[in-house]
Amino acid sequence: KAGVTQTPRYLIKTRGQQVTLSCSPISGHRSVSWYQQTPGQGLQFLFEYFSETQRNKGNFPGRFSGRQFSNSRSEMNVSTLELGDSALYLCASSYDPGTRSYEQYFGPGTRLTVT
Amino acid sequence: KNQVEQSPQSLIILEGKNCTLQCNYTVSPFSNLRWYKQDTGRGPVSLTIMTFSENTKSNGRYTATLDADTKQSSLHITASQLSDSASYICVVIRTSGNTGKLIFGQGTTLQVKP
Repeated sequence: KAGVTQTPRYLIKTRGQQVTLSCSPISGHRSVSWYQQTPGQGLQFLFEYFSETQRNKGNFPGRFSGRQFSNSRSEMNVSTLELGDSALYLCASSYDPGTRSYEQYFGPGTRLTVT
Repeated sequence: KNQVEQSPQSLIILEGKNCTLQCNYTVSPFSNLRWYKQDTGRGPVSLTIMTFSENTKSNGRYTATLDADTKQSSLHITASQLSDSASYICVVIRTSGNTGKLIFGQGTTLQVKP
C-alpha cells in the first residue's frame, strides 16, 4: 500500500507570490491534516479535511487555505507569501478521525523556501 | 492550558548507550499518547501509541511508558544506533467530541555518535 505522497518536495518562491501544495493520502483514508513545521515553533496544526469539508482549523491567517477533493486528495494554498512562511509543510492522512486511536500517517513533506 | 513539554531539548550519546526522553503533559480530556521519530527533512513516523490504561509499550529497542496519574511519559532507547539520530516528538491526543485534537511537544533532538 502506497504511503502519503506530497508534491512538490521542494519549492522556492519569492515574497508576495502564492503557492499550492498537494497531498495524496493513503488509499481508503478520508481525513487529511496539514501541519507547518519550523525550527522555532515545532509542528503546528493548520487544518483538517474530512469528506471534502474542513473540520478543524488552527490559528493561522486567512492567507492559508485548503481544500479536499472527492478522491480525498488535498491541496493547500498560501497567498501573498512572507519570509516567515518558509517551513516544512507536512500532510497526514487518517482512515477515520472518529476513532479514538486517531492514527495518522505523515507524508515526507514539502520544503518551502521564501526569498 | 493544554500543553506538552519535552525534555531534554537535545541530547548527544555514544553508540551502544541507552537513553531516556521525557514528556510531561497537561492535556485534558486525554485520549492517547504517542511517540514519533522524525528523521531530518522527513515526515514523522509513529513509534508507539498508548491509551490511558496502558503503562508500557515496546517497539523493538524503543520502550514507552505512561503514568496517567502524574501525566508523564518516557521513551527509552536501548543500545542506541547511529540511525537513531533524529527528532523524537511526543504527541497527546485530546478528545474533542467524536474526534481528537493533536497537541505536539517541541521534540527532543537526539544525536548518536560513533
